[in-house]
Amino acid sequence: EAGVTQSPTHLIKTRGQQATLRCSPISGHTSVYWYQQALGLGLQFLLWYDEGEERNRGNFPPRFSGRQFPNYSSELNVNALELEDSALYLCASSLRGQLNSPLHFGNGTRLTVT
Amino acid sequence: QQQVKQSPQSLIVQKGGISIINCAYENTAFDYFPWYQQFPGKGPALLIAIRPDVSEKKEGRFTISFNKSAKQFSLHIMDSQPGDSATYFCAAVSDSNYQLIWGAGTKLIIKP
Repeated sequence: EAGVTQSPTHLIKTRGQQATLRCSPISGHTSVYWYQQALGLGLQFLLWYDEGEERNRGNFPPRFSGRQFPNYSSELNVNALELEDSALYLCASSLRGQLNSPLHFGNGTRLTVT
Repeated sequence: QQQVKQSPQSLIVQKGGISIINCAYENTAFDYFPWYQQFPGKGPALLIAIRPDVSEKKEGRFTISFNKSAKQFSLHIMDSQPGDSATYFCAAVSDSNYQLIWGAGTKLIIKP
């Protein structure tokens, strides 16, 4: 079974630009979660999508947004990039809303804002 | 805001030793406690998980000990190997409340 795939692997942007990150979940998984992991730090919850709807969001400003497509893939958009947005962005998927089953993570997109 | 407190932040253990990472939670509604392992440049992966109806779960060299009354759980890595060097995250889940709270992570280094 193919794992969670994220693209691009690396992304370099300048301050003020917009970034778009993409995620394809494991086949059969309808829930997609986005996390931010700053260097050396923990996992900060960004967004949870299920069945095309945003189910929950973390404590991040509105310039962090996303969507989930009918095939359950998802994209994360970060507008008006700031230097502190530099981080590893991880996507995870699970069966519908089942947090008590394994979350399967991709290997992330490393976003660098200069 | 509900927290899961994880300690230590970093840990150095000699090869062959026992690595112990501890987590404590507050909300008694949590009903699933997973541990994830993350290698550099990779996403976290589920290592082992426990539900509060058991006090211990063992998978190979990895054991979770769970103390429901103290609201604490810990990961024990027996015979630690250099390949175990990674960052470990505990988490607490309340499926009914759609909550997943992560610990801050522990960077484990196993010295050969």
